[in-house]
Amino acid sequence: DTAVSQTPKYLVTQMGNDKSIKCEQNLGHDTMYWYKQDSKKFLKIMFSYNNKELIINETVPNRFSPKSPDKAHLNLHINSLELGDSAVYFCASSQVSGPTNEQFFGPGTRLTVL
Amino acid sequence: SQKIEQNSEALNIQEGKTATLTCNYTNYSPAYLQWYRQDPGRGPVFLLLIRENEKEKRKERLKVTFDTTLKQSLFHITASQPADSATYLCALTNDYKLSFGAGTTVTVRA
Repeated sequence: DTAVSQTPKYLVTQMGNDKSIKCEQNLGHDTMYWYKQDSKKFLKIMFSYNNKELIINETVPNRFSPKSPDKAHLNLHINSLELGDSAVYFCASSQVSGPTNEQFFGPGTRLTVL
Repeated sequence: SQKIEQNSEALNIQEGKTATLTCNYTNYSPAYLQWYRQDPGRGPVFLLLIRENEKEKRKERLKVTFDTTLKQSLFHITASQPADSATYLCALTNDYKLSFGAGTTVTVRA
């Protein structure tokens, strides 16, 4: 039974398109995150939501808009896709927001912008 | 600027030996440090957390040390097995965010 799931697993699209990635967790956690892992394997936080409220918003272009309809879901919508958006995007969750909480990651969505 | 550096991109060792990975950081004052394992095509999986006032933490064949004076954490895999082959990421807590290093890929040869 998957704890953190993401769809789709792969996404190939043209520059300028708009796309969404969905994330769901069934762990009952309060906090969810989006990370971007680039070709050099650095994993960088983009956003964090705690109980549907945005608590972390890193320096991310405003073409990226997260949306949390409830605390089990955190979706990522990307407008006007650019070549540099190509990366693997990971959703994660933790029981609460805080430095001691281990994070549970989804399987990732590999986005390729052509 | 803030940096997290993991010693090398790749580490190849013989089965049964101990793998030692290094995580060095600059311009951070983390109260906690975490280690994760990432297999190809998958998300990271939490392994261990160590607090700044803990010198050492163990879990089965894994051992982590945390030296806030040296600004360094060491991650040891003892009696390594081919199944330990993966990329290992260190992560520092900073303002309630996790900041990750680029990882070290460990390959254990049978």
